[in-house]
Amino acid sequence: ETGVTQTPRHLVMGMTNKKSLKCEQHLGHNAMYWYKQSAKKPLELMFVYNFKEQTENNSVPSRFSPECPNSSHLFLHLHTLQPEDSALYLCASSLTSGGDNEQFFGPGTRLTVL
Amino acid sequence: GQSLEQPSEVTAVEGAIVQINCTYQTSGFYGLSWYQQHDGGAPTFLSYNALDGLEETGRFSSFLSRSDSYGYLLLQELQMKDSASYFCAVLRDDKIIFGKGTRLHILP
Repeated sequence: ETGVTQTPRHLVMGMTNKKSLKCEQHLGHNAMYWYKQSAKKPLELMFVYNFKEQTENNSVPSRFSPECPNSSHLFLHLHTLQPEDSALYLCASSLTSGGDNEQFFGPGTRLTVL
Repeated sequence: GQSLEQPSEVTAVEGAIVQINCTYQTSGFYGLSWYQQHDGGAPTFLSYNALDGLEETGRFSSFLSRSDSYGYLLLQELQMKDSASYFCAVLRDDKIIFGKGTRLHILP
């Protein structure tokens, strides 16, 4: 257990569905991240939030919409996804977003888009 | 641009030593991290090097040469539970960029 939880762990959705991924950390961290991990590709940073403010959007399509209501919670809202969006979505947190702060990862949500 | 290169797969024998190399090209380099990820699990932090040299943590050591844009992870006294993927990651500016990972296979 890393102190970062994600729900759901598995999600299957159609291209017209709307769903949300949830991440919660109990570590007192101020930075939270969304990553996408596809087969045979590097972990791709999607979004960074530092003290609830979005500091990084790594050219992510608008069908992915993040929300960070407080430093402990992070959401990823999904709508009109494509089959190529099927991947493992990992949430991580760190003390702050700069420097050598170790990132703690959640278990991920395995997303399948039909 | 920026890139990280590491071997896609490495095979070693239980009890042996293995070295996983990572070369990088990036601007604004702060340091090099290593993460371990078991199948079906989340990445977990192993080490971080900001300065040149070797950092040792138990059976694992990590090395960095900033002038060569090169680092490695050294695993000693390999155990079957070390079978996993190992990612090097560069910290630049305010974000971390991961390599594609090296799959470590351990033979009994």
